[in-house]
Amino acid sequence: EAGVAQSPRYKIIEKRQSVAFWCNPISGHATLYWYQQILGQGPKLLIQFQNNGVVDDSQLPKDRFSAERLKGVDSTLKIQPAKLEDSAVYLCASSSLPGQGNTGELFFGEGSRLTVL
Amino acid sequence: AQSVTQLDSQVPVFEEAPVELRCNYSSSVSVYLFWYVQYPNQGLQLLLKYLSGSTLVKGINGFEAEFNKSQTSFHLRKPSVHISDTAEYFCAVSENDAAGNKLTFGGGTRVLVKP
Repeated sequence: EAGVAQSPRYKIIEKRQSVAFWCNPISGHATLYWYQQILGQGPKLLIQFQNNGVVDDSQLPKDRFSAERLKGVDSTLKIQPAKLEDSAVYLCASSSLPGQGNTGELFFGEGSRLTVL
Repeated sequence: AQSVTQLDSQVPVFEEAPVELRCNYSSSVSVYLFWYVQYPNQGLQLLLKYLSGSTLVKGINGFEAEFNKSQTSFHLRKPSVHISDTAEYFCAVSENDAAGNKLTFGGGTRVLVKP
């Protein structure tokens, strides 16, 4: 079974530029999450989708961050314009719904490391 | 709101010695508990989880954890570590609901195994 796929793995941009990250979850997983992991800290949830709807985006800085999951499968996270403090690893994760083989855990991709200069 | 505190940010340990990583959580409802490991430049890999039942949970790579509801703790242990256990370890709590398993993570504990 293929895992969660993310791209690009690494991205370096200058502040005020824009960047986009892509995630393809495990096949059949209805729920998709984007986490931000700043160096030396634990991951922090940015946004949670169930199918193509947003469940929780309370921690997403909406003035510069946006995310979509238009067809309920893959997802894109965009930052525009980027700030220095956005330097982090952006982790995508997925899980199935309760009653659909859900084992309680999230399955993570390898992450996209962003450096803002 | 739920929160997770990992009491040690770094734990140096000699090879073949035991290690314990401490985790305390707070939540107003019943929770699921997890330990994840992160090797350099990689994503998070599940070590073990507590959903219900026995409070002693065994995971991969010889790790185990004990759920203590009265102390709201979920400490991770390994009786004898290897060099390959050098990594960062994250404790996480989930309030499972119909929308999925939203995890709240602690700040992480970096384990450095010395020869």
